[in-house]
Amino acid sequence: GESVGLHLPTLSVQEGDNSIINCAYSNSASDYFIWYKQESGKGPQFIIDIRSNMDKRQGQRVTVLLNKTVKHLSLQIAATQPGDSAVYFCAESGNDYKLSFGAGTTVTVRA
Amino acid sequence: EAGVVQSPRYKIIEKKQPVAFWCNPISGHNTLYWYLQNLGQGPELLIRYENEEAVDDSQLPKDRFSAERLKGVDSTLKIQPAELGDSAVYLCASSLGSGHNTGELFFGEGSRLTVL
Repeated sequence: GESVGLHLPTLSVQEGDNSIINCAYSNSASDYFIWYKQESGKGPQFIIDIRSNMDKRQGQRVTVLLNKTVKHLSLQIAATQPGDSAVYFCAESGNDYKLSFGAGTTVTVRA
Repeated sequence: EAGVVQSPRYKIIEKKQPVAFWCNPISGHNTLYWYLQNLGQGPELLIRYENEEAVDDSQLPKDRFSAERLKGVDSTLKIQPAELGDSAVYLCASSLGSGHNTGELFFGEGSRLTVL
C-alpha cells in the first residue's frame, strides 16, 4: 500500500553540525508534505511544509527539499542544537486530504 | 492563545473497562482530528471532523471506538470495552482550514492510555 517512511530510525549528530533527515514516499499523487518534530511526552509540532510545485523551501535554520522524480523528501537542520533532539516525522497528503505519517527518525545531539 | 487541550494526560485501566478522552481544539479551528500513536511509530488517523460532521472515519474501529463533536467545538473519543492492544497515545489535533486547504495541524500533548 501507500506509505511514507524514513530511511534511518536514528541519527546522532554533533552539536553545531548540520543534520539531514531523509524520507521516502510511495504515493505519486501526494502533493503536500510536512515535517513535524515531536519531543518526549508532547504532541508533534509543525516545522515546515512544502507543496509539490516547489522543490525547496527554507525556514529558520531548516530547509526542506523535495525530489518528486525519486519521491524523496529531506529536512536539513543547520547548526544543530541540543534542543533539536527529538523524533522527526515526515507526513504527506494527496487528494484524500488525509495526512499520513512515516515512522520517524530519532535525532540525538551530542554535546 | 491556548493550544489544543486534551484530558486526561494519563489513564490506566483494566481490559474490558470503558475509557473516554476529551479534546478542546484551538478556538476557531473548524477541523478536528483524532490520531492514534503507538510507541515508536508515527500517528495514524482515526477520525477527522469538519465542524460537527465526521468526514473521514474509515480508520476508526467502530465495534469498540466512538467519537462525537456535537457542537462542532470540543470532542470526545470513547473506547468500550478497552483491549490490551489499545494501549497507546491518543492525539487530538485541529486546523483552521479544511479539505485541500487544511494547512498546519496543531496537536495536543496527547492522552496516554495503558490497558492492563
